[in-house]
Amino acid sequence: DTGVSQDPRHKITKRGQNVTFRCDPISEHNRLYWYRQTLGQGPEFLTYFQNEAQLEKSRLLSDRFSAERPKGSFSTLEIQRTEQGDSAMYLCASSLTGDNSPLHFGNGTRLTVT
Amino acid sequence: KQEVTQIPAALSVPEGENLVLNCSFTDSAIYNLQWFRQDPGKGLTSLLLIQSSQREQTSGRLNASLDKSSGRSTLYIAASQPGDSATYLCAVTVGTYKYIFGTGTRLKVLA
Repeated sequence: DTGVSQDPRHKITKRGQNVTFRCDPISEHNRLYWYRQTLGQGPEFLTYFQNEAQLEKSRLLSDRFSAERPKGSFSTLEIQRTEQGDSAMYLCASSLTGDNSPLHFGNGTRLTVT
Repeated sequence: KQEVTQIPAALSVPEGENLVLNCSFTDSAIYNLQWFRQDPGKGLTSLLLIQSSQREQTSGRLNASLDKSSGRSTLYIAASQPGDSATYLCAVTVGTYKYIFGTGTRLKVLA
């Protein structure tokens, strides 16, 4: 169990550029989540995958955001035409299916849009 | 709409004190509740998970309780240590998989 891995750890980009983040969940976990966290706040739900199927997408996610999980393994989160308001920590989490399965988080990708 | 509130927002205690962190939620129809710890600039580490049918869970110096009917959970930390300094977050499920988080309690344990 190597834990949830996220890449990159930090990303600085200029407004209007596209960015893509990667998440590698714990290998046997079929649930995968993306959350966004800003300073002093708790994580906000963005989207959820059960295996390769994206089952829910938050209204927080505008059309500029897209997430994929091909083959039910790693996941990518892409933000197109970044805005300064997109600056945040993007957290990935995974878990097994079941009511008693805890969430395991990665260390996040900190995005700064200048 | 489920809302999760954590009080206090920040807490500073001397080493060795026992302390209680509070979490309240507005909708009692939850599947489970989790307590997490977050160190600065890092992701969240799961501490305890309480299923809706359970009243409490214990791990080492940590004890979490759940009262669904009143929409409350507490995290009890015994004999606090400087290494316990972190932000503690609670989260409840909406439906079977989506977690809604509180804003956390920033704990500082003074040596």
